[in-house]
Amino acid sequence: SAVISQKPSRDICQRGTSLTIQCQVDSQVTMMFWYRQQPGQSLTLIATANQGSEATYESGFVIDKFPISRPNLTFSTLTVSNMSPEDSSIYLCSVEGAGTEAFFGQGTRLTVV
Amino acid sequence: GQQLNQSPQSMFIQEGEDVSMNCTSSSIFNTWLWYKQDPGEGPVLLIALYKAGELTSNGRLTAQFGITRKDSFLNISASIPSDVGIYFCAGYSNSGYALNFGKGTSLLVTP
Repeated sequence: SAVISQKPSRDICQRGTSLTIQCQVDSQVTMMFWYRQQPGQSLTLIATANQGSEATYESGFVIDKFPISRPNLTFSTLTVSNMSPEDSSIYLCSVEGAGTEAFFGQGTRLTVV
Repeated sequence: GQQLNQSPQSMFIQEGEDVSMNCTSSSIFNTWLWYKQDPGEGPVLLIALYKAGELTSNGRLTAQFGITRKDSFLNISASIPSDVGIYFCAGYSNSGYALNFGKGTSLLVTP
C-alpha cells in the first residue's frame, strides 16, 4: 500500500484567505484524488489530478475555488480559495493501489473562522 | 456519483458482541471496499472485494461481495473497544471511475 503524507494536518484560517494543502506519495502514481469530508458526513470527490494535464473536477466544484497542481508523479496540492466558514471540512488526498483500492492520507482538518 | 445506502447509521454495542452492517446500490458495482475512520484520521482500508460472491476475512472482520453485485456486508466478530469508529463502504460502478461512498456506520463499543 502507498504511504501518503498530507500537510498541514490541521489549520484554522480567517475567512477570505486561501490555504494550500500538500500531498506527498512514497511511490509514483498516475492519478491522485482530492476529497472533501464535511463535518459528520461521508467523502465527496472534488477532483482527479493527473500529472501533466489539468485536473478534472466533479459537479459542484470549480477550478477557481479549488485550484490543483500536479507537478510530478508523487506530489499534488489543493488550494481552498477565498475561504468561508462553509469550507470547514476535512480534505483528503487519495491514490489508487494496484487493485483499484484507494488509499488515503491522514487528512487536513480545516476550520474557517 | 452513484448513491450507496449504508445501514445502520449507528450502532451501540457491548464488548464481545458481533456486528453486521451492509451497503446497497441501485446499480451494479465491480469493486466493493470497506474502510474504517478513526477521529482525526483518514479512512483506512479494511477489506477489498473484486468478484461477485467473494467472501474475504481480515482477522475478526469478514466482508462479502453480494451475488447481485449491488450489495456488500461487513461483519465484525467479538467486538472490542478499539473497534470504535466510523465504517464506510465504497465502490466503483461499471459506469464510472470515481469511488462512491456510503454515509458511514458509527460504531460505539462499551467495555
